[in-house]
Amino acid sequence: NAGVTQTPKFQVLKTGQSMTLQCAQDMNHEYMSWYRQDPGMGLRLIHYSVGAGITDQGEVPNGYNVSRSTTEDFPLRLLSAAPSQTSVYFCASSYESGDSPLHFGNGTRLTVT
Amino acid sequence: AQKVTQAQTEISVVEKEDVTLDCVYETRDTTYYLFWYKQPPSGELVFLIRRNSFDEQNEISGRYSWNFQKSTSSFNFTITASQVVDSAVYFCALSPWGTGANSKLTFGKGITLSVRP
Repeated sequence: NAGVTQTPKFQVLKTGQSMTLQCAQDMNHEYMSWYRQDPGMGLRLIHYSVGAGITDQGEVPNGYNVSRSTTEDFPLRLLSAAPSQTSVYFCASSYESGDSPLHFGNGTRLTVT
Repeated sequence: AQKVTQAQTEISVVEKEDVTLDCVYETRDTTYYLFWYKQPPSGELVFLIRRNSFDEQNEISGRYSWNFQKSTSSFNFTITASQVVDSAVYFCALSPWGTGANSKLTFGKGITLSVRP
């Protein structure tokens, strides 16, 4: 059981570069979401999806793009990286049922110079 | 808007002491979920508990216990007889009820707990 898999684990970008953080889950979860974790800020929701083809914005969506073409995958795209996007990014998934807890990936540490 | 406040930022205790981590939340919803997650030094996020807003029974799981008081909008977490392995950052979180609830958590800023031998 792989659970939620995030790649890469670490990434360094230059300002203005673009990249995609990958997230895949093998639990057939309907819900997937992306959070960023910054020191002293906790985790903040970037984007989320309640099913394939459906996405919505969270608390801090600016500078990020998502799509959900399959149930398994939920990539996060940085269109033009900025130093303010230096953070640890977590992908999470869960079943639709409210009784289901979120399962988190192990995170991607991104540095933008 | 939803908000979670963890006023304690860092707590340091000696092993075997009891410690309580405080969590206060704000929401206009009448039904919602509350969570606690643990983030050990290795960085992964570990689910500890989820409570429904209409279930105010306290819960105990081994050395862990949770006290949910709707009247004071608090969901506090107590570790009894703390151990070094309890050293971690602990997050309290809140989500709305209903469709999509699990995809929209609002987290507190976290409490760093250090347990000294």
